[in-house]
Amino acid sequence: GQNIDQPTEMTATEGAIVQINCTYQTSGFNGLFWYQQHAGEAPTFLSYNVLDGLEEKGRFSSFLSRSKGYSYLLLKELQMKDSASYLCAVRRSNDYKLSFGAGTTVTVRA
Amino acid sequence: KAGVTQTPRYLIKTRGQQVTLSCSPISGHRSVSWYQQTPGQGLQFLFEYFSETQRNKGNFPGRFSGRQFSNSRSEMNVSTLELGDSALYLCASSLAGADQYFGAGTRLSVL
Repeated sequence: GQNIDQPTEMTATEGAIVQINCTYQTSGFNGLFWYQQHAGEAPTFLSYNVLDGLEEKGRFSSFLSRSKGYSYLLLKELQMKDSASYLCAVRRSNDYKLSFGAGTTVTVRA
Repeated sequence: KAGVTQTPRYLIKTRGQQVTLSCSPISGHRSVSWYQQTPGQGLQFLFEYFSETQRNKGNFPGRFSGRQFSNSRSEMNVSTLELGDSALYLCASSLAGADQYFGAGTRLSVL
């Protein structure tokens, strides 16, 4: 099975930086995904890490450490539109099944 | 390129009824996965279909079933609906199980 843990809620100020941590335990790892989901909408793909290190994509960066079973999503220069739920998901290597964490609700305040 | 299309968007049923949800994947995508999302449980994997075959299955009762057609369109069926089946049902497509692109979902309410 898989255990994926991420904080339930985070609050930050517009223009600030927020880091969302995700820890996981899995038998056979084949990648970690981050998705953004606005209330009432479908999740949208943000990033994918399969090797250790940092992947940067504009204001969003994602980091992975496979040995520690740890990832984080870094949101820089926060904007009001970044208020959403951020989902960490892990894919297993044996069956490619994707398992999601419960999500972290980020609230950006003016 | 059109995205993932799910129909209907909203559905109201009563306990004991059955329901069929439809998902049309992105053109060229052969993998379709279904998820149930509820406030308490988050996103739970139901099953995945690839080339008309169920490739993976989550931990849901047999009342939940699905199929995939030769054009990669997929349907999900829930029989003998229970109140707890009220949820947002999301479909995601991918080329081969890699990056998944989600549809807008079908919100099912069971009364």
